[in-house]
Amino acid sequence: GENVEQHPSTLSVQEGDSAVIKCTYSDSASNYFPWYKQELGKRPQLIIDIRSNVGEKKDQRIAVTLNKTAKHFSLHITETQPEDSAVYFCAPTDLNFNKFYFGSGTKLNVKP
Amino acid sequence: DAGITQSPRHKVTETGTPVTLRCHQTENHRYMYWYRQDPGHGLRLIHYSYGVKDTDKGEVSDGYSVSRSKTEDFLLTLESATSSQTSVYFCAISESRGQGSWTGELFFGEGSRLTVL
Repeated sequence: GENVEQHPSTLSVQEGDSAVIKCTYSDSASNYFPWYKQELGKRPQLIIDIRSNVGEKKDQRIAVTLNKTAKHFSLHITETQPEDSAVYFCAPTDLNFNKFYFGSGTKLNVKP
Repeated sequence: DAGITQSPRHKVTETGTPVTLRCHQTENHRYMYWYRQDPGHGLRLIHYSYGVKDTDKGEVSDGYSVSRSKTEDFLLTLESATSSQTSVYFCAISESRGQGSWTGELFFGEGSRLTVL
């Protein structure tokens, strides 16, 4: 199966700063690269995703960039706010099989 | 929110007893998943299903079995619960390529907290 690693495991930033979380994967067949956000005590929810034919995607303050050659993709959050505090997971996947393996998560703490 | 419910939401049981968790969906999605979530390990795939009676193992399937006799229900069974299976269990659903609503997104249930004493 897919070997997925996330870095860092914890990240603390000041409100207004940017945050970057990196996800590396092993399966070159992966063609779908989502990021999920899980707030404390809640279920994970998709916040942004990208397909393998696109290098970057942006949605307001969040963006995802993909480097297929190096097999990693990153989540970028700009102008962080306290409500961005959560655990973030990546789940690179081959959508021909829909078998999702998640990274171990990054706990983001945004200090007011 | 996607129509997905898990039951029970909380359960305390003793070592050696059987436990079944149920995931029910009203979305008619093809794929269903069971994950466990433990501190420091993120979400680990236990089993998943790609259709009625079609299931496959995930990365932590030992000690667990699943069944899917109809599209809307995916059951996770611990035949003889152990303390190491104390965890929060999440069910998720996804549509498949070729379907009109396909986006690749996983929709999660609210989770079931299981404590094995």
